[in-house]
Amino acid sequence: DGGITQSPKYLFRKEGQNVTLSCEQNLNHDAMYWYRQDPGQGLRLIYYSQIVNDFQKGDIAEGYSVSREKKESFPLTVTSAQKNPTAFYLCASSIDLGSMNTEAFFGQGTRLTVV
Amino acid sequence: RKEVEQDPGPFNVPEGATVAFNCTYSNSASQSFFWYRQDCRKEPKLLMSVYSSGNEDGRFTAQLNRASQYISLLIRDSKLSDSATYLCVVSAGSNYQLIWGAGTKLIIKP
Repeated sequence: DGGITQSPKYLFRKEGQNVTLSCEQNLNHDAMYWYRQDPGQGLRLIYYSQIVNDFQKGDIAEGYSVSREKKESFPLTVTSAQKNPTAFYLCASSIDLGSMNTEAFFGQGTRLTVV
Repeated sequence: RKEVEQDPGPFNVPEGATVAFNCTYSNSASQSFFWYRQDCRKEPKLLMSVYSSGNEDGRFTAQLNRASQYISLLIRDSKLSDSATYLCVVSAGSNYQLIWGAGTKLIIKP
């Protein structure tokens, strides 16, 4: 079955540590996204990528980094520079970025907690 | 003013009732509109796209009002399983970037 897989589902990080969240898709989608969701808030865009080896900052990129070495994979690293990383992280993909009515498909999310 | 605004709710509605909620957007150049459903602690899933002519899918009807810059979602004969948060999404700009509302929480009571 095609879809997006995020791992791990739950992640605990000590202060000062970097952690990497995995996102893999087998939908052959060009565009991939990382969002952060905090309680009672909408999704906020961290980074997005339209094509392999290219990615752009979203609204809240500070303290995060990404790579897009393969079409299928778009890992997100939460660095120690991110001061309030506890949140629900969602990875999504769509066929491409430049089309109207393009549906975004989501992974099941990673819940990151700083301990 | 937020780019996409929704009443956070919760809307407490008895089973079988009809419920409607709106979502307003600030960018008059917005081109695409969607409603997503998100269950507690789960990922969002597309409920329906919203077309200029309005569209219906079973018990769900979505409408777009460009003049007043809002979209609406109507749920008829509500079921317990409709309990969820409904997210409004608007796309705009040259790359159709998606802007998400914070969601409206709906609770259907038996």
